Amino acid sequence: DIQMTQSPSSLSASIGDRVTITCRASQGIDNYLAWYQQNPGKVPKLLISAASTLQSGVPSRFSGSGSGTDFTLTISSLQPEDVATYYCQKYNSPPFTFGPGTKLDIK
Amino acid sequence: EVQLVESGGGLVKPGGSLRLSCAVSGFTFSAYSMNWVRQAPGKGLEWVSSINTASDYIYYADSVKGRFTISRDNAKNSLYLQMNSLRAEDTAVYYCVRELPGRGTYPFDYWGQGTLVTVSS
Repeated sequence: DIQMTQSPSSLSASIGDRVTITCRASQGIDNYLAWYQQNPGKVPKLLISAASTLQSGVPSRFSGSGSGTDFTLTISSLQPEDVATYYCQKYNSPPFTFGPGTKLDIK
Repeated sequence: EVQLVESGGGLVKPGGSLRLSCAVSGFTFSAYSMNWVRQAPGKGLEWVSSINTASDYIYYADSVKGRFTISRDNAKNSLYLQMNSLRAEDTAVYYCVRELPGRGTYPFDYWGQGTLVTVSS
């Protein structure tokens, strides 16, 4: 099975900072990569599908890129409400594995 | 408004069984593939199982294969997860999750609030 890794596992940043989270697949998955945000105590929310397609209602400060095995989620200007754990997920074929998550908080 | 409401969680002894249900509303249930995703306390997300619209494509994570059975009743707008031979490591919040529509596989756009399953003696 394809394994998903994320880095870093946690990070602290200041309001207004540009933040980048990386996700890597152990084998190529084309662009079948999604990003989710899970705010503390909340259910996960789909941010990005197909590696770079922003879901309706998601702020434009979020963006995704990548294809194959290496992907990134970027927040262009960190806001307080972005405190959350972020997960990537492969969905090209089952198992639809999630990455281990990146916990983001405010410095 | 799309709603997914899980039920059936609770405390069960190791080796026991539980059946989770998910009642959906606000969309045409029969047109969407559905999934179960779980999250152990303080841990990350783990995909558990998937079922397509006609119940002819069903998949499981290796960790639950042979013990869990996913099913759906399109007439009742309901998704189920029968969990047998439960283990301590199955303790988690179980989410009923809708897959984005289309031919093929897609990520998950709507999540229920989850139901907690605790496996302990």
